[in-house]
Amino acid sequence: ILNVEQSPQSLHVQEGDSTNFTCSFPSSNFYALHWYRWETAKSPEALFVMTLNGDEKKKGRISATLNTKEGYSYLYIKGSQPEDSATYLCAFILYNQGGKLIFGQGTELSVKP
Amino acid sequence: NAGVTQTPKFQVLKTGQSMTLQCAQDMNHEYMSWYRQDPGMGLRLIHYSVGAGITDQGEVPNGYNVSRSTTEDFPLRLLSAAPSQTSVYFCASSYSPFRGRMNTEAFFGQGTRLTVV
Repeated sequence: ILNVEQSPQSLHVQEGDSTNFTCSFPSSNFYALHWYRWETAKSPEALFVMTLNGDEKKKGRISATLNTKEGYSYLYIKGSQPEDSATYLCAFILYNQGGKLIFGQGTELSVKP
Repeated sequence: NAGVTQTPKFQVLKTGQSMTLQCAQDMNHEYMSWYRQDPGMGLRLIHYSVGAGITDQGEVPNGYNVSRSTTEDFPLRLLSAAPSQTSVYFCASSYSPFRGRMNTEAFFGQGTRLTVV
């Protein structure tokens, strides 16, 4: 069974707090790791696509790192704002699974003003 | 470009009825997928396609059929709706991740909220 675990399931922070989430995935046959942001009543939108061990990507206050040898990725949000409130999904692709994108259950972030 | 277009947005079915959820993309993406979203379970892959004429099962394929006769369209058919299929369905498309492109993220449709009574 292919599985990706995200933690925590939910997070409640105050405006200005920095936060981070974890995504754990199978390290064997790893090909790519995606992060998506999913606001209520909208569709998921891509944040990052990462493929190389040690990759670090940044978009504004959001950044992500990737460790393919141990099978985890971290997503960081610096100085959280209420508009960052959303569910953050990670998903992986393995070499030997035809390219299908398998999602974790997500981390729900709520940022209070 | 319209991106990924899903129809309908809402649907109520009676148990045993059949229906087709439509999905079309205009980005010339090779990959197309159907996911269902249930509370606390993220997105679960139902079926996917790596190109016209090629489909494969995902994590939860039972009760659903797909076909991919063109690059643009990837309809999802519910053969005999059951209450367990009440969910929000998302179609997604992307370029193949295996051809060295940088922009291989998935693009999602607006979702279809299906209720089976």
